[in-house]
Amino acid sequence: KNQVEQSPQSLIILEGKNCTLQCNYTVSPFSNLRWYKQDTGRGPVSLTIMTFSENTKSNGRYTATLDADTKQSSLHITASQLSDSASYICVVSLTDSWGKLQFGAGTQVVVTP
Amino acid sequence: GAVVSQHPSWVICKSGTSVKIECRSLDFQATTMFWYRQFPKQSLMLMATSNEGSKATYEQGVEKDKFLINHASLTLSTLTVTSAHPEDSSFYICRARDSGRRSYNEQFFGPGTRLTVL
Repeated sequence: KNQVEQSPQSLIILEGKNCTLQCNYTVSPFSNLRWYKQDTGRGPVSLTIMTFSENTKSNGRYTATLDADTKQSSLHITASQLSDSASYICVVSLTDSWGKLQFGAGTQVVVTP
Repeated sequence: GAVVSQHPSWVICKSGTSVKIECRSLDFQATTMFWYRQFPKQSLMLMATSNEGSKATYEQGVEKDKFLINHASLTLSTLTVTSAHPEDSSFYICRARDSGRRSYNEQFFGPGTRLTVL
């Protein structure tokens, strides 16, 4: 069973609208949680990184939240643009020296005009 | 910001041939690099962890004799897919860990290499 679950699997939104993606994890011990954006045919690009002590982190129109008690995170996209169409991946880092990551399956976002 | 490059960005080869993919950290030293494989509409799957100057550590189910990894310098790791078959067609992505940074913001993905085996 995947230790990082994302929902929804995919969503379609109109340009200019907001949306929120969810990530639940059971990974332990937990070091940090990252949200990545992956365009089709490209490598993932980091959007936000949060440790267990951080509740929210923003990067432009992207805002991530983290509740370490309930092991839930969300990524909110404000005023979506066509260029936001991509896969958004939630990634949890384990507290080990090798830097291993646990990946969610991703949420495919399609922004339509 | 730190940059990781991969070469080639895409490659098409015949079944039975070998293909080498390079991963380079352009402005930092990476004692550890990770190789991932990603099939369409799926998430990244870790294949192996590559450490400079030592043998790679492979994940369960990944054939070390088929996927040869060489991390000969602090800025270069290579993945060679030997005797490639159509089922090896995938998107291969490397990730490099910046040895000099103590911050958690120390890991960077390459742009990926699309391998198609005919």
